[in-house]
Amino acid sequence: GAGVSQTPSNKVTEKGKYVELRCDPISGHTALYWYRQSLGQGPEFLIYFQGTGAADDSGLPNDRFFAVRPEGSVSTLKIQRTERGDSAVYLCASSPGPLAGGRGELFFGEGSRLTVL
Amino acid sequence: KNQVEQSPQSLIILEGKNCTLQCNYTVSPFSNLRWYKQDTGRGPVSLTIMTFSENTKSNGRYTATLDADTKQSSLHITASQLSDSASYICVVSAVSGGGSNYKLTFGKGTLLTVNP
Repeated sequence: GAGVSQTPSNKVTEKGKYVELRCDPISGHTALYWYRQSLGQGPEFLIYFQGTGAADDSGLPNDRFFAVRPEGSVSTLKIQRTERGDSAVYLCASSPGPLAGGRGELFFGEGSRLTVL
Repeated sequence: KNQVEQSPQSLIILEGKNCTLQCNYTVSPFSNLRWYKQDTGRGPVSLTIMTFSENTKSNGRYTATLDADTKQSSLHITASQLSDSASYICVVSAVSGGGSNYKLTFGKGTLLTVNP
């Protein structure tokens, strides 16, 4: 696609429910990142994929959060037993490869706004 | 702990005026510094990327400076336009042990409002 696509753009759910957020990166981009952005804050790193594998998942806040990228393209962020504190905008970004050497460009999607009631 | 501090938190200027946004960081070892523009409800869009050896870089009416010694950067916007109203986020990357510096530390952003 022309850019990073995220769906849904908005998701309202009830506390305790399960949620899936999808990211479709730019075609050919091997690196994919998930960030979480709370109101008035900068994005916070969640997880990084290089290809199909999670190269770094150290930003996932707890075991309720999980992400997959089975074919090295589309990724799904999964949140179990949602809590009100999970409410935020979840941003996905992709880059042609690892951001090594300082020249890697990072392209963000529009984000998925999650509201947990 | 790697940190990026931005100032001011918010800024209101009149259309046509210039402004300068500041970024101080404690990220180490430094790899590169990026400025992003984020319109309300949209994802961040890259404005500039600067490595250790670059002191200044321009992108149209946007000019970023970097002083790696004092760990400070600024983003100067010339002849502001209404469409410049957005959050401007400073992002600093640290070199990771494996050589792939994918870990970025984001500032909270400066919210710029340009009024007619």
